[in-house]
Amino acid sequence: DAKTTQPNSMESNEEEPVHLPCNHSTISGTDYIHWYRQLPSQGPEYVIHGLTSNVNNRMASLAIAEDRKSSTLILHRATLRDAAVYYCILREDNFNKFYFGSGTKLNVKP
Amino acid sequence: GAGVSQTPSNKVTEKGKYVELRCDPISGHTALYWYRQSLGQGPEFLIYFQGTGAADDSGLPNDRFFAVRPEGSVSTLKIQRTERGDSAVYLCASNPGQGNTGELFFGEGSRLTVL
Repeated sequence: DAKTTQPNSMESNEEEPVHLPCNHSTISGTDYIHWYRQLPSQGPEYVIHGLTSNVNNRMASLAIAEDRKSSTLILHRATLRDAAVYYCILREDNFNKFYFGSGTKLNVKP
Repeated sequence: GAGVSQTPSNKVTEKGKYVELRCDPISGHTALYWYRQSLGQGPEFLIYFQGTGAADDSGLPNDRFFAVRPEGSVSTLKIQRTERGDSAVYLCASNPGQGNTGELFFGEGSRLTVL
């Protein structure tokens, strides 16, 4: 199973953009890249996903490298409510398994 | 409610006891997942159901752990002869099933403490 590598923690200032990196050098051609986040004392929640092209939604943007060996989750304006652990996950095309790593703990300073 | 519901939210038990954790998925979701999360770690995959059958139980740590979903809706995770190392938050997630975006909807988890 392809694995992901993320920094343990990152810090951002409120209302500034945040770029959360993820390396997945062993990704296969049919693996989707998913991002989830987990706020304290809650279950993870879906943020965004993509396959090859960059993706935007109301929560964030996902930038995928051309070789697909890395991706970046972009929060355009961080708020205090964005402080959470962010997980980058590879989902096999048959989507029956989602493997979570340790994630990146994002701290947002006011 | 419209989301994934897990009960109990907290369970404290003694070593050696039997425990059941329940998950009510979103209505109509055919796929159901159980994860276990220890403090400071990401969720660890345990088992995945598609309908009533366990499509993948490769994450169950040993034969003390068992899960069922007899009618393809509610699922119960069963832990026999609990050990202190079983203490964790047990998360349940559901998904509409084949042919969708693959988004998982998680419950808030059941925190199990084994004394």
